[in-house]
Amino acid sequence: GAVVSQHPSRVICKSGTSVKIECRSLDFQATTMFWYRQFPKQSLMLMATSNEGSKATYEQGVEKDKFLINHASLTLSTLTVTSAHPEDSSFYICSAPYGGDNNEQFFGPGTRLTVL
Amino acid sequence: GQNIDQPTEMTATEGAIVQINCTYQTSGFNGLFWYQQHAGEAPTFLSYNVLDGLEEKGRFSSFLSRSKGYSYLLLKELQMKDSASYLCAVMDSNYQLIWGAGTKLIIKP
Repeated sequence: GAVVSQHPSRVICKSGTSVKIECRSLDFQATTMFWYRQFPKQSLMLMATSNEGSKATYEQGVEKDKFLINHASLTLSTLTVTSAHPEDSSFYICSAPYGGDNNEQFFGPGTRLTVL
Repeated sequence: GQNIDQPTEMTATEGAIVQINCTYQTSGFNGLFWYQQHAGEAPTFLSYNVLDGLEEKGRFSSFLSRSKGYSYLLLKELQMKDSASYLCAVMDSNYQLIWGAGTKLIIKP
């Protein structure tokens, strides 16, 4: 199956700093990638849809100036958490649709962000 | 509004069979997915149903009834490694995934 990677897998940062998370599709091209956030014991929550060559589409309640998304190429999308605060501590997961009849989403391994 | 319901937690015995139900109300339907998620890891794809009926894949099977807005995931010959959360997700008319809260499955020896 298709592979999606994320980097870093874990990051600890101080409050007020910015953190960049990369999502790469390793063996296929993805014009669209999705960014999710998952708090402990909760389901995945879609934050935004990253579109190659155009602006990201943000879900209601997600601050686009705080969560900057850049879909730099057909294999790379980045999420930057700006001026991170402890409440931003979460598990961030990206996914990319592989296409085909199943519309299957392949997920990255996730990034555990802890803001002190 | 859009809604996906599944039980919060289930317990089963190693070697047994367990059925995890999912009911949904969404604006449009373009398929239903089941994912497995171990603690601290990203979800992994288990199954996809878009037509009514049963899809079997090894020890796992998934069933869909679109008229009832209902699906279940059936796990046979349970193994300890099957202890995980199982997420039901529906793709709506905008091709966005609507996620259930997940069912935590606990397997006991």
